Amino acid sequence: LAKTTQPISMDSYEGQEVNITCSHNNIATNDYITWYQQFPSQGPRFIIQGYKTKVTNEVASLFIPADRKSSTLSLPRVSLSDTAVYYCLVGVPSGGYNKLIFGAGTRLAVHP
Amino acid sequence: EAGVTQFPSHSVIEKGQTVTLRCDPISGHDNLYWYRRVMGKEIKFLLHFVKESKQDESGMPNNRFLAERTGGTYSTLKVQPAELEDSGVYFCASSPLTGGTYNEQFFGPGTRLTVL
Repeated sequence: LAKTTQPISMDSYEGQEVNITCSHNNIATNDYITWYQQFPSQGPRFIIQGYKTKVTNEVASLFIPADRKSSTLSLPRVSLSDTAVYYCLVGVPSGGYNKLIFGAGTRLAVHP
Repeated sequence: EAGVTQFPSHSVIEKGQTVTLRCDPISGHDNLYWYRRVMGKEIKFLLHFVKESKQDESGMPNNRFLAERTGGTYSTLKVQPAELEDSGVYFCASSPLTGGTYNEQFFGPGTRLTVL
């Protein structure tokens, strides 16, 4: 799976929009971009996935430029409960068979 | 719908002892995965079951680790004998064989293993 690079940590305040960018220069043609969120003392949780352009769900938006060498996870109006580690993963979808390869993730701290 | 459950939530054992971790996947999920995070490191894949068969066990660190999934339902991961470096959090995840979202795995809360 393609290696990803993302900031180690970020700080924000309640109500702000947070954008976490992930670099994946060696992304392959068939690779999808997947983001997971992990709260303390819990397992990771899938939040969003995309292949190109923009994907939005009830939790976040994912922006992917045309060259797909990076992606940005956007969290609108964060709250204290969004404090978590966010992982960017890149890999090929195989009907759910993929083992996931996690990097260090981005530790987001949301302050009052 | 119940999520992935793991038992125990914490385990403290001495070096050389045996520990068995259990994972109950979401009902109907044929894919079951084990991962672990050792102190200060990233979450690493251990192995993957499809039903009762081991699909990929490339991440198993050594032969002290034995995973089973009899009957294709719950899974156990036994560490025998445990070593200090086995300390960490062991996660189990599951996903459906078909019809699911690509790369979406459902994780349990993990078992925190401490080897003294």
